[in-house]
Amino acid sequence: EVQLVESGGGLVQPGGSLRLSCAASGLSFRTYTMSWVRQAPGKGLEWVSYISGTGDTIFYADSVKGRFTISRDNAKNSLYLQMNSLRAEDTAVYYCARGDRYTGYEYWGRGTLVTVSS
Amino acid sequence: QPVLTQPPSSSASPGESARLTCTLPSDINVGKYNIYWYQQKPGSPPRYLLYYYSDSDKGQGSGVPSRFSGSKDASANTGILLISGLQSEDEADYYCMIWPNNARVVFGGGTKLTVL
Repeated sequence: EVQLVESGGGLVQPGGSLRLSCAASGLSFRTYTMSWVRQAPGKGLEWVSYISGTGDTIFYADSVKGRFTISRDNAKNSLYLQMNSLRAEDTAVYYCARGDRYTGYEYWGRGTLVTVSS
Repeated sequence: QPVLTQPPSSSASPGESARLTCTLPSDINVGKYNIYWYQQKPGSPPRYLLYYYSDSDKGQGSGVPSRFSGSKDASANTGILLISGLQSEDEADYYCMIWPNNARVVFGGGTKLTVL
């Protein structure tokens, strides 16, 4: 059974940093593209970033480009999102998801809440 | 960045069918993309429902009932999620998505489906 478990969310001040993690199990992690998708309170889904299985292909949403960095450690079956220069509008539940352009997001974690507020 | 347009809300009665739409910008041809559909209930992560490219290239998520199906209306440049035999448990938010090659993923704004 595929499991994705996010961690690292919390309350941070504007301008601060946070690092999210996603622990994956039940899949050959290194073979899958992984993504972060977020959802602001009461709003829709917003794609944030994805990274290919080898890490050589990365894309970011314009809203986070230059502030967020996605990475992965295939030896640890883990996905990360380093978030810097955080803004109030980054407040959201951040989901880790597995999938690519051929499969869509078949598996999702339960999410971790990031709140940016003073 | 393209925007996928979904009606904010839709409603139908139990046993009826609900037709949810996802309209692509005019400069993006719906015929060239897989259209992915997700269901989300309050307090839960999204659930993958299905994808639709064509009648010969489509897929259903694990455990997703066959009364959920996808299609396209090329004349309207629109992807469609059809839910037949509506049940109260189908009340949820529904999102469409496309994933262009070597480009950013795009979600629609979502449709809140109410089962009357």
